[in-house]
Amino acid sequence: DAGVIQSPRHEVTEMGQEVTLRCKPISGHNSLFWYRQTMMRGLELLIYFNNNVPIDDSGMPEDRFSAKMPNASFSTLKIQPSEPRDSAVYFCASSFGGGYTGELFFGEGSRLTVL
Amino acid sequence: GENVEQHPSTLSVQEGDSAVIKCTYSDSASNYFPWYKQELGKGPQLIIDIRSNVGEKKDQRIAVTLNKTAKHFSLHITETQPEDSAVYFCAAGGSSASKIIFGSGTRLSIRP
Repeated sequence: DAGVIQSPRHEVTEMGQEVTLRCKPISGHNSLFWYRQTMMRGLELLIYFNNNVPIDDSGMPEDRFSAKMPNASFSTLKIQPSEPRDSAVYFCASSFGGGYTGELFFGEGSRLTVL
Repeated sequence: GENVEQHPSTLSVQEGDSAVIKCTYSDSASNYFPWYKQELGKGPQLIIDIRSNVGEKKDQRIAVTLNKTAKHFSLHITETQPEDSAVYFCAAGGSSASKIIFGSGTRLSIRP
């Protein structure tokens, strides 16, 4: 079975450019999470979708960040404009069922470097 | 909100010895405590979890203990092997409406 698929795996961009990260969750999972991982702040939840609806976006850093889930098999995380402090590994995770108390299946991450 | 502290940040043990990682949490309403293992270049993967209605859970060489009164829980790995080398994260969460908060991670190295 295919796991959570993220693209791109690596992205290097210049400050001010738009960045779009993509995620395909595991088929049948109805919850999707975007996390950011940095050395300083560890694993932070950015946003959580349930049945394609954003439930909790309190972790989204600021208006430069936006996330969408147009259907059950696709989600995007967009940063516009990007800044060097956005450099991090961004993980998408999916799970079955609602809420936060089930197993999270993580993708392999998208490593973003903003110069 | 919930706060999870994890210790130590790095741990080196001889192959075959045991490793223990400890976490404390602040929110007494938390009732779900998963542990994730992250290998280099990969996403975290669940290795074991425990809910507040039990005090201990074991799965082969790994076990987790929970002390709700003291608000701490621990991961125990026995008979460590080279493939146990990774970063381990504890986490805590409450009801379905309460997000999971991750600890800062422990980098475990197994010496041959």
